Amino acid sequence: NAGVTQTPKFQVLKTGQSMTLQCAQDMNHEYMSWYRQDPGMGLRLIHYSVGAGITDQGEVPNGYNVSRSTTEDFPLRLLSAAPSQTSVYFCASRETGDVEKLFFGSGTQLSVL
Amino acid sequence: GQQLNQSPQSMFIQEGEDVSMNCTSSSIFNTWLWYKQDPGEGPVLLIALYKAGELTSNGRLTAQFGITRKDSFLNISASIPSDVGIYFCAGTGAGSYQLTFGKGTKLSVIP
Repeated sequence: NAGVTQTPKFQVLKTGQSMTLQCAQDMNHEYMSWYRQDPGMGLRLIHYSVGAGITDQGEVPNGYNVSRSTTEDFPLRLLSAAPSQTSVYFCASRETGDVEKLFFGSGTQLSVL
Repeated sequence: GQQLNQSPQSMFIQEGEDVSMNCTSSSIFNTWLWYKQDPGEGPVLLIALYKAGELTSNGRLTAQFGITRKDSFLNISASIPSDVGIYFCAGTGAGSYQLTFGKGTKLSVIP
């Protein structure tokens, strides 16, 4: 069971560079989301999607774009990376009705210099 | 927005000791959840609570949904080294289907 797969595991960027964090799930979950985890801040919701073609903003969306062309994939794009985006990023998915049963990927540790 | 206050921020305990951590909110929550994050991994759901006063166990872990619906606690009995990690409380407030997470309690177990 692959569950939620995130790539890459680690990434270093220079300020202004762009990149895409990949997320794929094989559980046929309609709901997918991206969180960032910073020391002392817990998990904060960046963007989420309730199904293919539908995305919405979370608590901290600025500087990030998302799209959902398929049920399986939910990439997170940083168009112009900033040092404030240095963080650990988690993708998560769940069944539409099971609000509590979020399945998380293993995370991407991003450093922006 | 809704906020969860989780305490303590961190704790160091001896192997075999019991642990208690809690989470409070200024507003009512409809569900309370406890997740654990192992080092280098994503959080995993430990316990879900759905009703005020509910007490639920999962092995050595016990969690309760506060009667006021504004708090929850998690107890770990007879801690072992693999209990090390960050424990997050989370919940859904009235009219919301998004989870709000606490800031986490980092647990260290000294063998």
